[in-house]
Amino acid sequence: NAGVMQNPRHLVRRRGQEARLRCSPMKGHSHVYWYRQLPEEGLKFMVYLQKENIIDESGMPKERFSAEFPKEGPSILRIQQVVRGDSAAYFCASSLSGGYQPQHFGDGTRLSIL
Amino acid sequence: GQQLNQSPQSMFIQEGEDVSMNCTSSSIFNTWLWYKQDPGEGPVLLIALYKAGELTSNGRLTAQFGITRKDSFLNISASIPSDVGIYFCAGQLSSGNTPLVFGKGTRLSVIA
Repeated sequence: NAGVMQNPRHLVRRRGQEARLRCSPMKGHSHVYWYRQLPEEGLKFMVYLQKENIIDESGMPKERFSAEFPKEGPSILRIQQVVRGDSAAYFCASSLSGGYQPQHFGDGTRLSIL
Repeated sequence: GQQLNQSPQSMFIQEGEDVSMNCTSSSIFNTWLWYKQDPGEGPVLLIALYKAGELTSNGRLTAQFGITRKDSFLNISASIPSDVGIYFCAGQLSSGNTPLVFGKGTRLSVIA
């Protein structure tokens, strides 16, 4: 998984706090995807971004969740007023532009809500 | 939403045995990919398939894109202990930069 960098690897928050998860894509990749994984489950798509644009946010809850991928710096997934159900592993993937470009994943952020 | 049905859910095999797992869908997918996930890590891409009927190998791994575009299988030959992990199939409904739909995974255990 060298290349896609996610931090922090582990994040603990109390209910009601905010969680910020960061993702730096592989060098040269301009497409970023966020997925969520619950225990014993596959990954579920949340949001797809290119630089400064949200392309598809159909998998992201409308409330409390937001994502950005600024011109400079990492992509950020932000969860406001966290609840216990937000506890999960959040993975970021990146890809090159164009057809048939596979997505490469980071090692994820494990979010625990107390 | 779209779902991929992956089977089996788990497998226990002896070292040296061959392994086969598959993924099916009610929808047509343009791309099929197979990933492996180790505990505490992210999925690592094993094989990507882009054409119906395509058969691709990566070392001891072989995967095929079903001719109907609704299924794919992954074979591992002569399993070794480091093959232990969770294998996920994933598909893309259209070509280009689109989200992945994942199966629930096949948990592989190898007994030495």
